[in-house]
Amino acid sequence: DAGITQSPRHKVTETGTPVTLRCHQTENHRYMYWYRQDPGHGLRLIHYSYGVKDTDKGEVSDGYSVSRSKTEDFLLTLESATSSQTSVYFCAISEGQESSETQYFGPGTRLLVL
Amino acid sequence: AQSVTQPDIHITVSEGASLELRCNYSYGATPYLFWYVQSPGQGLQLLLKYFSGDTLVQGIKGFEAEFKRSQSSFNLRKPSVHWSDAAEYFCAVSSGTYKYIFGTGTRLKVLA
Repeated sequence: DAGITQSPRHKVTETGTPVTLRCHQTENHRYMYWYRQDPGHGLRLIHYSYGVKDTDKGEVSDGYSVSRSKTEDFLLTLESATSSQTSVYFCAISEGQESSETQYFGPGTRLLVL
Repeated sequence: AQSVTQPDIHITVSEGASLELRCNYSYGATPYLFWYVQSPGQGLQLLLKYFSGDTLVQGIKGFEAEFKRSQSSFNLRKPSVHWSDAAEYFCAVSSGTYKYIFGTGTRLKVLA
């Protein structure tokens, strides 16, 4: 158990509304990640963070922004939700303080955009 | 570019039978390799990983995987499957950085 929680676990929203998902970790890991999981695509990286206020884009970052104001929290915001952003979102951390360390995943947030 | 292929989308085995899930990767150097398992509605749990050394790695829940450089493969095996092993299995490759490339997954069904 890597001490990762995600909230909310389920959310239904309407197209055009902003949505924020939260990832919280309790073990002071430096690296945190947001992925989305879609059938036929596996997991794809949206954004990642390598420290407080240090973030960078992943392969599917369009339409998403992130913030990390504290080590323990990594927020993912859908600025104006679209139906294509209906997905399951996973937060992950790299064990320890290096990006080369093994990634561990949170329980996921299931988002439905109507 | 790195890539991971899991050729089998679905696999069905009988309880007690042996299991092999295939994973092939494309990467120029020695990769870091992982197998994760995902039960319905759950997150991904690490089964095992290969960074270097012995090419046969043991994981949790009785799983093992063998790294074969000549075949660019990292297949997951279990000698006797239990009904609780029914889940989706993901292979992933990394260059040793934050960037993981995941396969599209293999869904395992276990028949009683």
